[in-house]
Amino acid sequence: EPEVTQTPSHQVTQMGQEVILRCVPISNHLYFYWYRQILGQKVEFLVSFYNNEISEKSEIFDDQFSVERPDGSNFTLKIRSTKLEDSAMYFCASSLSSYNEQFFGPGTRLTVL
Amino acid sequence: AQKVTQAQTEISVVEKEDVTLDCVYETRDTTYYLFWYKQPPSGELVFLIRRNSFDEQNEISGRYSWNFQKSTSSFNFTITASQVVDSAVYFCALSESDTDKLIFGTGTRLQVFP
Repeated sequence: EPEVTQTPSHQVTQMGQEVILRCVPISNHLYFYWYRQILGQKVEFLVSFYNNEISEKSEIFDDQFSVERPDGSNFTLKIRSTKLEDSAMYFCASSLSSYNEQFFGPGTRLTVL
Repeated sequence: AQKVTQAQTEISVVEKEDVTLDCVYETRDTTYYLFWYKQPPSGELVFLIRRNSFDEQNEISGRYSWNFQKSTSSFNFTITASQVVDSAVYFCALSESDTDKLIFGTGTRLQVFP
């Protein structure tokens, strides 16, 4: 069964460093998303991406964040200068069409020291 | 504004008991979508069900059933004859017609003891 994959599973970085989180969505899906979950809290929407552009972003998704689909399979989230409060689990998701169920990857746990 | 409330923070049951997880939502839209996701201890988010606002039929899938009631803005989830493997955090989520972002509730942690 096709699934969303994410790498790395765990990333540890120093405050102020740049990180890139990678995702491979399900191959025939067209809509891509990033969410984050601070430990023990609810899942929060960051950004949605369709047709090679951002379709919606939350207040959390400020200038430090960017997304890219560099080729036909990868979807990346970049945090330019990490802060302590960026420590969280980051989930990538994809869906076949808008309003369809979103399938989530296993997550990348980001720890900022 | 859209909002999802899962008032039950944690529920503990003994195996084979039935358990219902509550979800109450707020939206001004007449067209919206409701979802349930399971987050087992391993951490991934597993899709369970999607419902659109025009379909109020209850759904049953094996031991799982969902009760959607627009009159009370609720979309409750029942597990019949619970098993230890059902232990997880369960999230209810909402998306409205002008956006496909998911708004999640705070989750209910279900612990099923043998």
